[in-house]
Amino acid sequence: GENVEQHPSTLSVQEGDSAVIKCTYSDSASNYFPWYKQELGKGPQLIIDIRSNVGEKKDQRIAVTLNKTAKHFSLHITETQPEDSAVYFCAASKTGYNNNDMRFGAGTRLTVKP
Amino acid sequence: ETGVTQTPRHLVMGMTNKKSLKCEQHLGHNAMYWYKQSAKKPLELMFVYSLEERVENNSVPSRFSPECPNSSHLFLHLHTLQPEDSALYLCASSQDMGRPQHFGDGTRLSIL
Repeated sequence: GENVEQHPSTLSVQEGDSAVIKCTYSDSASNYFPWYKQELGKGPQLIIDIRSNVGEKKDQRIAVTLNKTAKHFSLHITETQPEDSAVYFCAASKTGYNNNDMRFGAGTRLTVKP
Repeated sequence: ETGVTQTPRHLVMGMTNKKSLKCEQHLGHNAMYWYKQSAKKPLELMFVYSLEERVENNSVPSRFSPECPNSSHLFLHLHTLQPEDSALYLCASSQDMGRPQHFGDGTRLSIL
């Protein structure tokens, strides 16, 4: 089955700096890679996702890149703000009906210092 | 508001108690999931339901018993739990399996 590794486990940056979180996956058939943000006392919220037919996707200050050959993908947050502080999870799965194999990384606790 | 509502938000129970966790989704989704979230560990998928049929049971002990009476509601019945079962239990739903999942805010369960 799929195995997802996520690094670093904790990340502290100064407000305005960029933050990068990296994940690797093991199953070359995986083709869907979502990122979730979990704030204190809340459930994970989908913030961006990427499919294997593209290499990069941006949404305002966040972007995700995918390297299928190396089987790794990364989340980039630019111009970080204190409200970006949260735990971020990557995940990998195969899309399609009857695929329920989404596997999550262990999470990265991001702290943005004012 | 995520469209997925879990109750209760917090639950403290003894090892001999019986309780149930409830999840309701207002998104018209066909698939629902139970996850266990423990500190410093990846989310653990417990059960998957698609169109009210259980399609996955990830070697979960029988002291956890899921129930999906319809596509909008999912329950997790708890009986004779152990201290290591203390965790945040998250419910999620998706349009169909393999589609993006939407999570509720979870039930924080503490076993005394």
